[in-house]
Amino acid sequence: GAVVSQHPSWVICKSGTSVKIECRSLDFQATTMFWYRQFPKQSLMLMATSNEGSKATYEQGVEKDKFLINHASLTLSTLTVTSAHPEDSSFYICSATADYEQYFGPGTRLTVT
Amino acid sequence: AQTVTQSQPEMSVQEAETVTLSCTYDTSESDYYLFWYKQPPSRQMILVIRQEAYKQQNATENRFSVNFQKAAKSFSLKISDSQLGDAAMYFCAYRSIGGGSEKLVFGKGTKLTVNP
Repeated sequence: GAVVSQHPSWVICKSGTSVKIECRSLDFQATTMFWYRQFPKQSLMLMATSNEGSKATYEQGVEKDKFLINHASLTLSTLTVTSAHPEDSSFYICSATADYEQYFGPGTRLTVT
Repeated sequence: AQTVTQSQPEMSVQEAETVTLSCTYDTSESDYYLFWYKQPPSRQMILVIRQEAYKQQNATENRFSVNFQKAAKSFSLKISDSQLGDAAMYFCAYRSIGGGSEKLVFGKGTKLTVNP
């Protein structure tokens, strides 16, 4: 089956710094990837849709200048959290579509101190 | 906009027994996909089962089956012969067909506990 990886799996950063999370489709090409945020014991909240070669589409209420998304190739999308603050601490999950299915990465736990 | 409702925040079942998780949704579309995803403690999202709305036959995957009632906009998941490894959060999700949107709309989830 289709495999999606994320790196890093866990990152701790200081308040005010930026952190980049990578999402890769390992054995397929993905023209569309999605980025979600999940708070403890809650559901997945879609942040943005990442399209290869074009600008990402952000959901209402998501700050596009804070959460920079780049989808430079058919196998890689990145999410950069800029000027991170403790309230950005969360679990971030990406997914990629293949054969009309969404396959999810294992997630990245971000802790901002 | 479509919405997905899971009215059971938590459910529990004895090992080897059967449990049913509820999901209802709201849409004005006639064709769409419905999914059940499992999220174990590892937090890796795993697709459990998929149902196309145009198919009347309920989807089945081994011990997992759905009861899809299109008119009632209901999509419940039945887990038979429950196993300890079934313990997880279960999310019901909706996806439109066409229109260029592949976005999933998730319910709030049901936490399933399996008691030995």
